[in-house]
Amino acid sequence: AQSVAQPEDQVNVAEGNPLTVKCTYSVSGNPYLFWYVQYPNRGLQFLLKYITGDNLVKGSYGFEAEFNKSQTSFHLKKPSALVSDSALYFCAVRDRNSGNTPLVFGKGTRLSVIA
Amino acid sequence: EAGVTQFPSHSVIEKGQTVTLRCDPISGHDNLYWYRRVMGKEIKFLLHFVKESKQDESGMPNNRFLAERTGGTYSTLKVQPAELEDSGVYFCASSQRGSGYTFGSGTRLTVV
Repeated sequence: AQSVAQPEDQVNVAEGNPLTVKCTYSVSGNPYLFWYVQYPNRGLQFLLKYITGDNLVKGSYGFEAEFNKSQTSFHLKKPSALVSDSALYFCAVRDRNSGNTPLVFGKGTRLSVIA
Repeated sequence: EAGVTQFPSHSVIEKGQTVTLRCDPISGHDNLYWYRRVMGKEIKFLLHFVKESKQDESGMPNNRFLAERTGGTYSTLKVQPAELEDSGVYFCASSQRGSGYTFGSGTRLTVV
């Protein structure tokens, strides 16, 4: 079975500081990994994904994430946080060999960037 | 192109009543997914349509939930009768094979 763990319910960071939102996953095979963001009163927006190739993936709004197979992690990072980054962030996984099965999501991490 | 549209955006109903949520996917997307997030918990898969067929409905909580996708276009998710634990945000997403998911804004359902 596939699963995603986001160990932090809330992450607080000062504007201008680097941020990290943690994600670990479990799949039986090789993973497709995703990050989505939900701003207030908005739907889930795609940020970035890891399919294959370079372990460091760059996405929208200056975010990046590093796939670490040995640690089964896919932490989301940004070098310098903005107040406008405050939102709910979801990590998701799908087994690459499972056909068109649906994404499995974590419970989300609320990021609060303080000016 | 238009995105995934969900209606209504909010719904407040009493326990025992019926509610129908609607999702209009991106035109031409064969895959349509319903997900639900209960407050503070993960986004949980409910079911997956490929065109008008139910590919996977393993996440449907119980037989009070009925999803349809007539003609392979829009989809409805009916809850009848609604219970308090059905409250949450219901998301719909669509995709074409090989592409990523596009999510709608969600319907926030509150059962009182």
